[in-house]
Amino acid sequence: EVQLQESGPGLVKPSQSLSLTCSVTGYSITSNYWGWIRKFPGNKMEWMGYISYSGSTSYNPSLKSRISITRDTSKNQFFLQLNSVTTEDTATYYCARLGLRRAPYYFDYWGQGVMVTVSS
Amino acid sequence: EIVLTQSPTTMAASPGEKVTLTCRASSSVSYMHWYQQRSGTSPKLWIYETSKLASGVPNRFSGSGSGTSYSLTINSMETEDAATYYCQQGSSYPYTFGAGTKLELK
Repeated sequence: EVQLQESGPGLVKPSQSLSLTCSVTGYSITSNYWGWIRKFPGNKMEWMGYISYSGSTSYNPSLKSRISITRDTSKNQFFLQLNSVTTEDTATYYCARLGLRRAPYYFDYWGQGVMVTVSS
Repeated sequence: EIVLTQSPTTMAASPGEKVTLTCRASSSVSYMHWYQQRSGTSPKLWIYETSKLASGVPNRFSGSGSGTSYSLTINSMETEDAATYYCQQGSSYPYTFGAGTKLELK
């Protein structure tokens, strides 16, 4: 069974970088695409970006200058880095598997989510 | 960016009642996907590519629509269906979500 688990600090200071890890079991990240989605207080959800089975990436243009998604295939993990965070980046962050390698993309397996608060 | 507008924002239904949730897109999309999220849990893929039920989803659920108008229907509301439902389009970059419909049990 495909399982995803996010990990990382729950509190980040403004202007610093947010770094999260998604550990995947039951499926290789060298297959399919793997993404990050966040849910803000108030329930708005935002697709942040994905990394493909080959390592190519695609990002939401609203984040393009601040986001980086990378991976470690030897550990079957992929990572999110979001730079220069502000309080508006406070959200629950989810990693997920994309169900297809082409549009229309959807997310068929999700991690349990990690709540990240940006505060001094 | 395609904006997805879900309606209603909140609704309550009685057991056995038929429920229809709507998602309207600001521009035409080829498919719509739906997720169910219960309180304290992560979203679950519920319906994909407009009308295909994800694994384990009861067949009282159905999805339909095209272009800019899509819907999720519950044929007969059950207790376990109380949750928030989100629509999502993955056809047009960047991929976007609706704000959700919270479905409560009456």
